[in-house]
Amino acid sequence: GENVEQHPSTLSVQEGDSAVIKCTYSDSASNYFPWYKQELGKGPQLIIDIRSNVGEKKDQRIAVTLNKTAKHFSLHITETQPEDSAVYFCAASTDTGRRALTFGSGTRLQVQP
Amino acid sequence: DGGITQSPKYLFRKEGQNVTLSCEQNLNHDAMYWYRQDPGQGLRLIYYSQIVNDFQKGDIAEGYSVSREKKESFPLTVTSAQKNPTAFYLCASSSLNYEQYFGPGTRLTVT
Repeated sequence: GENVEQHPSTLSVQEGDSAVIKCTYSDSASNYFPWYKQELGKGPQLIIDIRSNVGEKKDQRIAVTLNKTAKHFSLHITETQPEDSAVYFCAASTDTGRRALTFGSGTRLQVQP
Repeated sequence: DGGITQSPKYLFRKEGQNVTLSCEQNLNHDAMYWYRQDPGQGLRLIYYSQIVNDFQKGDIAEGYSVSREKKESFPLTVTSAQKNPTAFYLCASSSLNYEQYFGPGTRLTVT
């Protein structure tokens, strides 16, 4: 089955700096890669996603890049703000079979004011 | 107001008791999922359902059961056979174009 690895497990940045979180996946059939933000005690919130026919996608301060050959994808947050502090999860899935997400282990991002 | 609701938010049970967690969605999504999250870890798939009256085991189904009698509802029962039931349980739903949305979660504590 699919295996998703996520790094780093914790990340501390100064407000205004950029943050990058990286994930690798094992199943070459995976073709959908979402990123979720989870605040303490709440359910994960979808913040951006990318499909395998696209190499990069941006939404304001957030961007995701995908390298299918290397089987890795990354989340980039620019001009970080204290409200960006949360746990971020990457995930991967296919459009056949169960279509359920396989998650990385999460990155705790702390933005220092 | 569209979305996914889970109830209750906190649930306490004694060991040996079965407990049912509720999940309802009004997004008209066909697929629904249950995940378990342990402290400091990612989410793991318990069960999923892509259509009414059909469901499949995920990666950690032992000790759990589900039903899908209505499109809107996908309740999860944590049975006494589940060895470590204390966890944060998350329900999600999706349409066929992949985006999966999560409910607020139920924190279950078994003592």
